[in-house]
Amino acid sequence: GAVVSQHPSWVICKSGTSVKIECRSLDFQATTMFWYRQFPKQSLMLMATSNEGSKATYEQGVEKDKFLINHASLTLSTLTVTSAHPEDSSFYICSAREETGAWNEQFFGPGTRLTVL
Amino acid sequence: LAKTTQPISMDSYEGQEVNITCSHNNIATNDYITWYQQFPSQGPRFIIQGYKTKVTNEVASLFIPADRKSSTLSLPRVSLSDTAVYYCLVAQSSYSSASKIIFGSGTRLSIRP
Repeated sequence: GAVVSQHPSWVICKSGTSVKIECRSLDFQATTMFWYRQFPKQSLMLMATSNEGSKATYEQGVEKDKFLINHASLTLSTLTVTSAHPEDSSFYICSAREETGAWNEQFFGPGTRLTVL
Repeated sequence: LAKTTQPISMDSYEGQEVNITCSHNNIATNDYITWYQQFPSQGPRFIIQGYKTKVTNEVASLFIPADRKSSTLSLPRVSLSDTAVYYCLVAQSSYSSASKIIFGSGTRLSIRP
């Protein structure tokens, strides 16, 4: 089956630093990738939709200058949390949709736990 | 995107059948119903999808009445490892760059010995 990986699986950083999270589709090409954020005991919240070769589409309330998304290839999307603060501590999950797949063929990564001190 | 409503939590015991119902009164003609499972600190995992009547796979069954305004995920003979959050999602099946999955609150299922 289709596999999506994320790196790192967890990261701890100091307040004010930037952190980059990678999302890779390992055995398929993903035209579209999605980034979610999940706080403890809460549901996943869609942050942005990332299309290869174009600018990401951010959901309402998500700061595009703080959460930089790059989707430079069909197998890699990155999320950079700039000037991270403790309130950015969360579980970040990406998903990828296969290029020729239906909408529902989204495969989720294992998530990245970000802790900002 | 159709809004979904599920119970916040459910408890059951090992070996029992568990049924989780989801309401989606505003479901559109082109919408499919999909269920995901999520364990703590992991990404969601696809369980089952359907459009109408009944769908069954090796993991679960999905029952959808004729009006499609609700659906029921049935987990046969649950075990402790089925303890997880289950999400019901409704969205169009057709491929579109605008298609996206919006998660509702989910149902936290706890299985006891």
